[in-house]
Amino acid sequence: AQSVAQPEDQVNVAEGNPLTVKCTYSVSGNPYLFWYVQYPNRGLQFLLKYITGDNLVKGSYGFEAEFNKSQTSFHLKKPSALVSDSALYFCAVRDIGNDMRFGAGTRLTVKP
Amino acid sequence: NAGVTQTPKFRVLKTGQSMTLLCAQDMNHEYMYWYRQDPGMGLRLIHYSVGEGTTAKGEVPDGYNVSRLKKQNFLLGLESAAPSQTSVYFCASSYSREGRNSPLHFGNGTRLTVT
Repeated sequence: AQSVAQPEDQVNVAEGNPLTVKCTYSVSGNPYLFWYVQYPNRGLQFLLKYITGDNLVKGSYGFEAEFNKSQTSFHLKKPSALVSDSALYFCAVRDIGNDMRFGAGTRLTVKP
Repeated sequence: NAGVTQTPKFRVLKTGQSMTLLCAQDMNHEYMYWYRQDPGMGLRLIHYSVGEGTTAKGEVPDGYNVSRLKKQNFLLGLESAAPSQTSVYFCASSYSREGRNSPLHFGNGTRLTVT
């Protein structure tokens, strides 16, 4: 069965600095990988996805993610963090079936 | 365009009571899902549906039942609530034509407390 792991519960960065939120995955077939963001008292919002093709995927709000097959990783990145990026971030994977499985989430705090 | 709407937003139940959570989507999506979110555990899939009249079990189906009588609605039932079912419940939907490419669209959640 597919699964994802987010090794960091919390990531703290200063505004203007680059940020990385880590994700590793395990699937039996080709991975369909996603990143979502959750703001307080709201549902998750889709940021970006990797299907096939370029290993660097660009998404909403200036976020991008790098797919690395050999390391089975799909890390979320942003060149310059904003205070408004502070939120809960989830990595997710869809394998052969139609269900989507999520990581435990990483809380990103961007300090002014 | 409302997207995915969940009702109610909040609910407090006593142990042993029953209730139904309603999810409605207006995007004509074929797939619908119910997740629960607990601190430190992310989202865990309870049940899902790939079309009207069909349902399937997810990771944590015990204690829950679902029905998909209409394409736009997906109901989650708790027959006899337990404190372990205290959680935030999210409904989501996705478009089948994109297959596994399709991201999920989420509602804003239902916060359930079982005392």
